[in-house]
Amino acid sequence: DAKTTQPPSMDCAEGRAANLPCNHSTISGNEYVYWYRQIHSQGPQYIIHGLKNNETNEMASLIITEDRNSSTLILPHATLRDTAVYYCIVRVSPSGGSYIPTFGRGTSLIVHP
Amino acid sequence: EAGVAQSPRYKIIEKRQSVAFWCNPISGHATLYWYQQILGQGPKLLIQFQNNGVVDDSQLPKDRFSAERLKGVDSTLKIQPAKLEDSAVYLCASRAAGLTTDTQYFGPGTRLTVL
Repeated sequence: DAKTTQPPSMDCAEGRAANLPCNHSTISGNEYVYWYRQIHSQGPQYIIHGLKNNETNEMASLIITEDRNSSTLILPHATLRDTAVYYCIVRVSPSGGSYIPTFGRGTSLIVHP
Repeated sequence: EAGVAQSPRYKIIEKRQSVAFWCNPISGHATLYWYQQILGQGPKLLIQFQNNGVVDDSQLPKDRFSAERLKGVDSTLKIQPAKLEDSAVYLCASRAAGLTTDTQYFGPGTRLTVL
């Protein structure tokens, strides 16, 4: 799986958009970009994933650059409950063979009042 | 839909003792994962099951760790004997079969402290 690079920490004001970057310049054509988050004392929670196109769901938006070397997770209106560690992971589709899911250290996002 | 269940939530043992963790995945989920998360780090995969078979256990310290999923549903992870460096949160996750993407659902974890 491709390696990802994320800033160790970020902060954001409540109600503003939080933009979390991820660099994955070694991504392969069949690798998806996944985002999970982990709130303190809980297990990671799936947020969103994408291959090439930008994606949006009820939790967030995912913007993937055209060359797929980087992506940005956008929380459009951050709340205090969005304070968590956010993990960006790239991996192949499970149907494409075996792999070892790998989480890095992620980005610790603090949303302040 | 019930989530992934894990027990116990917390466990404190002394080094060289044994401990076991239990996980019940979401109903119908064929793939089950055990992760170890040391404080300040991301989760590290220990073992992955597909139904009752092991898909990958390359990062499982087999001299002391063992895991089973006998009937392809719930699973246990055992450590025998425990070392101080085994202090961590042990996370269980599951994924539905037949998906072309890898959306995992995690349980709350078991926090193990080895004294």
